[in-house]
Amino acid sequence: NAGVMQNPRHLVRRRGQEARLRCSPMKGHSHVYWYRQLPEEGLKFMVYLQKENIIDESGMPKERFSAEFPKEGPSILRIQQVVRGDSAAYFCASSPIRDTSNQPQHFGDGTRLSIL
Amino acid sequence: GQSLEQPSEVTAVEGAIVQINCTYQTSGFYGLSWYQQHDGGAPTFLSYNALDGLEETGRFSSFLSRSDSYGYLLLQELQMKDSASYFCAVPNDYKLSFGAGTTVTVRA
Repeated sequence: NAGVMQNPRHLVRRRGQEARLRCSPMKGHSHVYWYRQLPEEGLKFMVYLQKENIIDESGMPKERFSAEFPKEGPSILRIQQVVRGDSAAYFCASSPIRDTSNQPQHFGDGTRLSIL
Repeated sequence: GQSLEQPSEVTAVEGAIVQINCTYQTSGFYGLSWYQQHDGGAPTFLSYNALDGLEETGRFSSFLSRSDSYGYLLLQELQMKDSASYFCAVPNDYKLSFGAGTTVTVRA
């Protein structure tokens, strides 16, 4: 049973370009979460999605960032007009149910975004 | 909001015992989780404490005291492969709030 798959593993963009990060959840998981991790810091929640719905995007910057989880295909985190401060590791996690208080979220290996 | 405090790094020798403390301030509390992350890779779930007391899983144990807003992860019989970052996290429904992480370095 494949785990959470993220691609690309590494992404380099120049300032002003767009970055698209993809996440395929574990089989049978319909709940997807995106987190951002800066060096020497913990993961920070960005957005929670179910199929075709954004449930909570309270951790996502209001501008330039968007996320989707279409009926078919992977979840996409999109960053427009990237700036140096967007350089970070972006992790996707998935779960089979909404309440993950005592059920672990399963994380992908992350996408390391570098902005030149 | 959520605030979790843990030491930034710990170094120990193989075979030793390491305790990573975590204190938290949260607006709502369901329990305390621990995750391990090797070399910036995928965080993996280690344990979850919803009730006070000690939970043991092999060489790793986790403790929670809700009255003290405090917990710890205990790593016993340390092995080189335990060198990693360890994060305490507070789940609130679907949302995980993480501490900044403790880097554990195991020396031969």
